Amino acid sequence: AQSVTQPDIHITVSEGASLELRCNYSYGATPYLFWYVQSPGQGLQLLLKYFSGDTLVQGIKGFEAEFKRSQSSFNLRKPSVHWSDAAEYFCAVAPRNSGYSTLTFGKGTMLLVSP
Amino acid sequence: DVKVTQSSRYLVKRTGEKVFLECVQDMDHENMFWYRQDPGLGLRLIYFSYDVKMKEKGDIPEGYSVSREKKERFSLILESASTNQTSMYLCALMSSRDTDTQYFGPGTRLTVL
Repeated sequence: AQSVTQPDIHITVSEGASLELRCNYSYGATPYLFWYVQSPGQGLQLLLKYFSGDTLVQGIKGFEAEFKRSQSSFNLRKPSVHWSDAAEYFCAVAPRNSGYSTLTFGKGTMLLVSP
Repeated sequence: DVKVTQSSRYLVKRTGEKVFLECVQDMDHENMFWYRQDPGLGLRLIYFSYDVKMKEKGDIPEGYSVSREKKERFSLILESASTNQTSMYLCALMSSRDTDTQYFGPGTRLTVL
């Protein structure tokens, strides 16, 4: 069965510093890959997704993610973190071409931003 | 923009009550999903629907049922609410114009006393 691992439950980053959130997946074939962000008390907002093509994907709010097939990873990055980025981040995968694909989520990484 | 509306942001119910959580979309999207979210467990799929009157069980369907009588509305039903169903419930839909991508509503935080 597919699984998604986000090894860091919490990460604290200083404002203005760079950020990398890790995501590894276990799957039979390369799935579709997603990153979502959830602010406190809110639903999930899609940051970016990877289906095929260029392995470096640009998203909203200045985020990017890089797909590395050899490492089964899809890490999220941002060069300079803002206080408003404090939130919980979820990596998710979905099988390719399933028609009505369902998502499998990691358990999330809570990002704290210090002044 | 894809818009997903959930009828309540916060809900408090008593054990044994029948609870309805409503999810409404304003476009003609086929696929809709219900998740629950719990600290340390992430999001887990309860049920999904790929068309009117069609439903499929997700990973944790026990204690829940769903209804999809019209394309725009997908309801999650707790027949007899229990305290272990206290959770955040998130509805999502998959846009027919942006296939394989799910968009989420704001969530309903349900507390069962």
